[in-house]
Formats: sequence, C-alpha cells, structure tokens
Amino acid sequence: AQSVTQLGSHVSVSEGALVLLRCNYSSSVPPYLFWYVQYPNQGLQLLLKYTSAATLVKGINGFEAEFKKSETSFHLTKPSAHMSDAAEYFCAVSEWGGGADGLTFGKGTHLIIQP
Amino acid sequence: DADVTQTPRNRITKTGKRIMLECSQTKGHDRMYWYRQDPGLGLRLIYYSFDVKDINKGEISDGYSVSRQAQAKFSLSLESAIPNQTALYFCATSDREKGGNEQFFGPGTRLTVL
Repeated sequence: AQSVTQLGSHVSVSEGALVLLRCNYSSSVPPYLFWYVQYPNQGLQLLLKYTSAATLVKGINGFEAEFKKSETSFHLTKPSAHMSDAAEYFCAVSEWGGGADGLTFGKGTHLIIQP
Repeated sequence: DADVTQTPRNRITKTGKRIMLECSQTKGHDRMYWYRQDPGLGLRLIYYSFDVKDINKGEISDGYSVSRQAQAKFSLSLESAIPNQTALYFCATSDREKGGNEQFFGPGTRLTVL
C-alpha cells in the first residue's frame, strides 16, 4: 500500500522568501509522484510530476521538486514566494507500472504568503 | 480546450434523498475517477473506471454508486444521502496511453446534506 505524508497543514512565508513544502511517501514499488495546487473555489491543477526520468523536476509558476529515493521524499520549493502562490498544495503518489487506480493524496498544506 | 466538467457545481439536499452528480469530459481519456475532499483529509478515492465495462471501488465506496454511461460520462450517486457525505466532490480523468497516471480534475461539486 502507498501513503503520503505532508508535514505542516499550514505554512506561512513572507513575500519574496523561499517556499518549502514537505512531502514524504511510502510505496512498495517505484512511484510516480505529483504536486497539485488548488486555488480557492477551483479544482486541482498539476504543478509538476516525477515519472522516473530526472530527479529534479521543474514545474509551472517557478516551482520545482526533487525526488530523493533514499529519503523517500519529494519536497516542493520555490526560490521567491509571490502573493499569487497562496493556495492549498497536495502531494500525491501512484505506483509505477500500475496507475490504473487512483492517486493517493496527502492531507494538503495551506500556503500563506505574508506581505 | 478539452475539458472536464461537473454538474451541478453546488447542491444542497436533505437526509435520505437520492442525488446524482455528473461528470463529462472532452479529453478522450479512457479512465475516470471520483474523489471526495474533506478539510484536513485531502482527497480520497470513491470509485474509478478503466472503461465503460470496468468499474472499481476505491477507498471509501460505501454509500455511493457509479455509472459509466459512455466513455465521456461518469456519474456518482448517493442512494440515500446522509450529513457526513457533505463534502467537495471531484471528477478526474487520465489517459492510459500516456502512462504515469497524471490526472486532470474537474472544478468540483460542493454538496451539502442537511
């Protein structure tokens, strides 16, 4: 069985500061990993995904994440936060080679940007 | 643009009522999913479908049923709604041909059961 843990249900950073959202996963087989963002009253939008190619993955809006197998982590970062980054962020895992069933999501991290 | 749409966007109903949430997609994807989102719990899988003839239960299927009327349509039904089914419901699709299980989400249906 697979699972995802997101550390911190709320993270607050100042505008212009580094954003770091933490995600650890467990999976019995090599995983696919995803970060989704949810803006208020909207659906989920894919930020980036890891599918066994490069371990450093670049996504939209200046976000990137690094897959670290030894640490079973896939933390999301952005060098400089912008007010428009305020949203809910979800990390998700799917098993490599499978994937017909659904994604397993973390509980989400609400990112707050302080002016 | 190819899209995933959900109707209704908001629904208020009473305990014991039957309700159907509908999902349509123009992406041409074969796989479709229903999730529910609760504050602090993330998204949890209710049902998923590989194609019209293949329906599978997810993590939290009790109290729900689904129908895949066509490749592009996947409906979720609550046979007798109860208050703890109050949640935000999302439909999603993915493309088997592309692999990786990247899923594309609809805008959601906010359901309130009184």
